Amino acid sequence: GDSVTQMEGPVTLSEEAFLTINCTYTATGYPSLFWYVQYPGEGLQLLLKATKADDKGSNKGFEATYRKETTSFHLEKGSVQVSDSAVYFCALISWGKLIFGQGTELSVKP
Amino acid sequence: GAVVSQHPSWVICKSGTSVKIECRSLDFQATTMFWYRQFPKQSLMLMATSNEGSKATYEQGVEKDKFLINHASLTLSTLTVTSAHPEDSSFYICSARGGLAVSYEQYFGPGTRLTVT
Repeated sequence: GDSVTQMEGPVTLSEEAFLTINCTYTATGYPSLFWYVQYPGEGLQLLLKATKADDKGSNKGFEATYRKETTSFHLEKGSVQVSDSAVYFCALISWGKLIFGQGTELSVKP
Repeated sequence: GAVVSQHPSWVICKSGTSVKIECRSLDFQATTMFWYRQFPKQSLMLMATSNEGSKATYEQGVEKDKFLINHASLTLSTLTVTSAHPEDSSFYICSARGGLAVSYEQYFGPGTRLTVT
C-alpha cells in the first residue's frame, strides 16, 4: 500500500541554520503531498501542500517541491528560529485518507 | 483557524477497565471525525472514520468491539477503549472536518496519552 518515509529525528540545529527534512513516498498514481507541524501541546496543523508534480508548496519560510522522478517532498527552510521547534509530519492522501510518515522532531537552539 | 479539543489529555487506567476519550470541535460543525493512534516514533495510524449520526467505519485490523466510537452530534465524538490492556497504551489523536472541506482539511486535537497498568 501507499506509504511515507521520513528521516529520523531528533534534528537539533542552531538558530539561523538551514533545515532539510527528507521525505519520500510510495504510491500508486500521483497523490497530493503535505507537511504538517505539531507544536508542543497542540494538534497537527497543515503547514504546506503540493497537488501535482513540480508544484512547490510554501508557508512561513518553509518550502517543499513535489518531485515525481525521485518520489520525494523534502521540507526546507533557509534560516530556522527557536519558534520552529516542533514535530514535522510528511503525509499523502490515498483514497481520501491521510497517510503519515513517522514524524521528525526538530529542536532549534538559540 | 478551527479548534479541536480532546479530553482528557492523559489518563492512566487499570487493566480490564474502560476509558472514554472525548473529541470536540469548538467553533465549527464537524460532519466527519477521524481517530488516529500513534506509537512512539511511529506515524499516525488511522483507526476509524465517523460521520455524524452514522456508524463508524473502521480500518482493517482495528477491533470495533474494543474501540467504540460514537459521533452523536456535530461537535462531539467519543472513543471508548473497552477492557483496556497494556498493549492499548498509546497516544490517541482525533481530527475533525467540516461538511464542505476537502479530504485533507482536517483540524487535529492535541491528543490523549493513555497508559494502561
